[in-house]
Amino acid sequence: EDQVTQSPEALRLQEGESSSLNCSYTVSGLRGLFWYRQDPGKGPEFLFTLYSAGEEKEKERLKATLTKKESFLHITAPKPEDSATYLCAVQGGSNYKLTFGKGTLLTVNP
Amino acid sequence: DADVTQTPRNRITKTGKRIMLECSQTKGHDRMYWYRQDPGLGLRLIYYSFDVKDINKGEISDGYSVSRQAQAKFSLSLESAIPNQTALYFCATSDSESVGGVRGQYFGPGTRLTVT
Repeated sequence: EDQVTQSPEALRLQEGESSSLNCSYTVSGLRGLFWYRQDPGKGPEFLFTLYSAGEEKEKERLKATLTKKESFLHITAPKPEDSATYLCAVQGGSNYKLTFGKGTLLTVNP
Repeated sequence: DADVTQTPRNRITKTGKRIMLECSQTKGHDRMYWYRQDPGLGLRLIYYSFDVKDINKGEISDGYSVSRQAQAKFSLSLESAIPNQTALYFCATSDSESVGGVRGQYFGPGTRLTVT
């Protein structure tokens, strides 16, 4: 069974203080690892898909990286508008289902 | 206009009532999904459909049914609502897989359902 564990559960940063969120996973034959951002009361917003170890993708202040066991979402010089819950999900093998982690709640204080 | 819309956005219903949640998309995607989100449990897949004639159960389909009326429309029904079906429900869509690999899913704004 695919499993995704995200850490920390919550992270509080000062504006401009860079940090990383972790997504550890176990999956049989990774087909894709996905990062989403979710604001309170809204649907998850798709950010990135990573397919293989060593791959990196960037969007504004966010950079996602992937190894064979985990993915990191690096946030550089965050702003208050980056505050949200960040979700990680994996899709593996012949399974068409996404398995989601429980998310990291990021708060960026001005 | 939003690419994935859900109606209603909020609904309060009583135990035993039948309720339908509707999802429409303008992204032209073949695949559609229904999830529920509960505090502490994350997002869990209820049903998914890869085209109008293809419907599949997800990990928590008991108590739910779906209908894919058209490529762009996918509805979720609770035949007899119970309080533990109180949750946030999301519809999502994705394109079919390409040579490049699996594609990301795009979520609607959600329906907050309360069963009393």
